[in-house]
Amino acid sequence: GENVEQHPSTLSVQEGDSAVIKCTYSDSASNYFPWYKQELGKGPQLIIDIRSNVGEKKDQRIAVTLNKTAKHFSLHITETQPEDSAVYFCAASIGRDDKIIFGKGTRLHILP
Amino acid sequence: GAVVSQHPSRVICKSGTSVKIECRSLDFQATTMFWYRQFPKQSLMLMATSNEGSKATYEQGVEKDKFLINHASLTLSTLTVTSAHPEDSSFYICSAARSGTGYTFGSGTRLTVV
Repeated sequence: GENVEQHPSTLSVQEGDSAVIKCTYSDSASNYFPWYKQELGKGPQLIIDIRSNVGEKKDQRIAVTLNKTAKHFSLHITETQPEDSAVYFCAASIGRDDKIIFGKGTRLHILP
Repeated sequence: GAVVSQHPSRVICKSGTSVKIECRSLDFQATTMFWYRQFPKQSLMLMATSNEGSKATYEQGVEKDKFLINHASLTLSTLTVTSAHPEDSSFYICSAARSGTGYTFGSGTRLTVV
């Protein structure tokens, strides 16, 4: 079935440095790719998304790139801050009923 | 912005009882809502797609008779965990899709079955 692979599972970055999380997807019909940040005990919060007609999107310190040919997309966080520490999930739309499936998540630690 | 309210945030129930979780879209109509389950330190696993006015569509391996989903209106979907057992203890999260703004998630419900 369709799946989304996410790497790395854990990432430690010095405060101020950049963090990159990568995902690949299997369904060539996927056209929507959101990224979520989840803090402990809370629901996921959308931080940025991209649709298949765009190759890159940026929102302040956060950017997402999409390569449809290779079926992979990445999250870039620049100038990382302590509050960026959380679990990040990539996701991709599948099927015709607007379902999205998630990657396994990346636990990001921002080191002081 | 789009807001999805989920209640309760935490619930503890005895084994064998049923628990109902509500998911409401507060400022928009959601013809489709989704229910996820998340075990500790794991990803969100899609359980079912809830469609207003029709039967829910369950993912493979999810027991529809155990996880009853009702989507009676365009703003409310409920998930009832019937005859709950300790292995049903998990974090349950709903989401709703709104055209142009993507998917909005509720804050989740931590279910503990004792």
